[in-house]
Amino acid sequence: SYVLTQPPSVSVAPGKTATITCGGHSIGSRSVHWYQRKPGQAPVLVISYDSDRPSGIPERFSGSNSGNTATLTITRAVAGDEADYYCQVWDGSSDHPVVFGGGTKLTVL
Amino acid sequence: QVHLQESGPGLVKPSETLSLTCSVSGGSINSYYWTWIRHSPGKGLEWIGYIYYIGTTDYNPSLSSRVTISLDKSRNQISLSLNSVTAADTAVYYCARGAGTSGYPFDSWGQGNLVIVSS
Repeated sequence: SYVLTQPPSVSVAPGKTATITCGGHSIGSRSVHWYQRKPGQAPVLVISYDSDRPSGIPERFSGSNSGNTATLTITRAVAGDEADYYCQVWDGSSDHPVVFGGGTKLTVL
Repeated sequence: QVHLQESGPGLVKPSETLSLTCSVSGGSINSYYWTWIRHSPGKGLEWIGYIYYIGTTDYNPSLSSRVTISLDKSRNQISLSLNSVTAADTAVYYCARGAGTSGYPFDSWGQGNLVIVSS
């Protein structure tokens, strides 16, 4: 089955730029979605289809996808961005069609 | 704006059945895929399965022998049943909405229902 690899943790200083990667074989040929998960809250779709920002998501959030790596970029990081971030794709050729990355804990310090 | 809310017991005994309900408000069940996803610290987000509004289902092969997802259109609810639970099934369980399969994102999620499996 398809595997997505994320770094377990990323740290960023307030006001700086955080980059979270999601690696997968030829992931550039797939649509990648990114979710923000905070304890006790509903997860939020922050980037869809590689680089689209859903309504209500700050412009500070952006995404890209090429080759074997998809990237979520958060500019001008604030304390409220501290959360777990997950990438996700569909693998239509598999009997396990929904694939999530292992998640990245973003710490703003 | 659609709102999803999971409900159910927070504690289930080993070998028993976990049953959760997802109530949908502010929108219809029709024309969407409704998915259950769980999160545990050791495994991250794990897809459990989904049901299309017409009743078609698909399940994670690792759970398929124990899981059933159903829906009640009259109540705008989606249900999850997972039998023969063990401690490994301890997790926060989320329901989420998707417009389709093969590339669509999960655009709305519930807050989650923590389920602990313990005697």
